[in-house]
Amino acid sequence: EIVLTQSPATLSLSPGERATLSCRASQSVSSSLAWYQQKPGQAPRLLIYDASHRATGIPARFSGSGSGTDFTLTISGLAPEDFAVYYCQQRSNWPRTFGQGTKVEIK
Amino acid sequence: EVQLVESGGGLVQPGGSLRLSCAASGFTFSSYAMTWVRQAPGKGLEWVSAISGSAHSTYYADSVKGRFTFSRDNSKNTLSLQMNSLRAEDTAIYYCAKDQSSYGFSYYFDYWGQGTLVTVSS
Repeated sequence: EIVLTQSPATLSLSPGERATLSCRASQSVSSSLAWYQQKPGQAPRLLIYDASHRATGIPARFSGSGSGTDFTLTISGLAPEDFAVYYCQQRSNWPRTFGQGTKVEIK
Repeated sequence: EVQLVESGGGLVQPGGSLRLSCAASGFTFSSYAMTWVRQAPGKGLEWVSAISGSAHSTYYADSVKGRFTFSRDNSKNTLSLQMNSLRAEDTAIYYCAKDQSSYGFSYYFDYWGQGTLVTVSS
């Protein structure tokens, strides 16, 4: 099973600041990685797929990069609605797996 | 508009069984693989199981293999997750999710239901 390790666990930032979230895979997943956003009481929302492609309707301030084992989600300027938990997920191997999440909170 | 509506959650005793359903609409159901993802209270997301569009193939997480069975009825646009031998650690919100692409098999998930809560407790 591929283990995805996200860091940091919590990121405390102010609106307008840049957020950089990391996801590291225990073995190469090529570019087969997605990022999701989840707000309290809601289902997750797909943000990025195949490491760097924005999903439909996702604002340009969200960007993804990386390949192999190291991936980054960047939010270029945090909007008030971006404070949430973010998960990475791989589709390279069975079983599919998620990272443990990074909470982006208001500083 | 794509809609996924889960049902069937509830309180069940350890060792018991429960059957979850997910009703889908707004897309060509049989063309898409579907997946169950669960989330224990206050915890992260856990991939549970996936089924191909044709229902010919299924995959399971090791944590549920042999206890859960994922099926679909493409004539009724519905999914079912039969959960047997339930344990306390199966307590979670269970989400059904649609593959983003019709050529994927549990690749990425662009639509999710609202979830149904399963509580396993005596």
